[in-house]
Amino acid sequence: QSALTQPASVSGSPGQSITISCTGTSSDVGGYKDVSWYQQHPGKAPKLMIYDVSNRPSGVSNRFSGSKSGNTASLTISGLQAEDEADYYCSSHISINTPWVFGGGTKLTVL
Amino acid sequence: QVQLVESGGGLVKPGESLRLSCAASRFTFSDYYMSWIRQAPGKGLEWVSSISGSGSTIKYADSVKGRFTISRDNAKSSLFLQMNSLRAEDTAVYYCARGGFSRFEEWGQGTLVTVSS
Repeated sequence: QSALTQPASVSGSPGQSITISCTGTSSDVGGYKDVSWYQQHPGKAPKLMIYDVSNRPSGVSNRFSGSKSGNTASLTISGLQAEDEADYYCSSHISINTPWVFGGGTKLTVL
Repeated sequence: QVQLVESGGGLVKPGESLRLSCAASRFTFSDYYMSWIRQAPGKGLEWVSSISGSGSTIKYADSVKGRFTISRDNAKSSLFLQMNSLRAEDTAVYYCARGGFSRFEEWGQGTLVTVSS
């Protein structure tokens, strides 16, 4: 199964908003609500930031939001902060037999 | 706070085997799907395998099917990954994660597996 498509990199200045896209097909992103987003700082384990397209786990800042339109999911970070600089990965349910696929990852740089 | 601690990684030769363990604590282990996810050096995340709370449902990525076996011991709150016939492309940090039914909620710190002659 192919990885979901994410931009390799995005950047923004402190205080700005950025959006990271995650494009799949009707067989994955477009077909399920189980789209999630993970943040990974260098040398650290990934952290769940968004699940079920737009839900935030307890403790995650409300500056992080998620949405989906058709076969593309999006992660928006508002009020960018230096600590948001990290890699971000999307993930989607894909099928019963091979349940999960990840995006290739997006490196966020805070200028 | 949920704790997941992986162990068992190391350097092995192609064709050899390795068994990874994940010790879980501070939650009711048997209530949760558990998964293994790996990350090759400098690369993205790749889902490897998931197992239901009872162990009755198991899924594998095509890249490891027939070579890797996931299992769990609910009495000891432990997750395992038996890796046989290892290949160079299996070189990665292997993460244990709570979840696998709808999301991966909590992650361990990872254990590095290096397959090289």
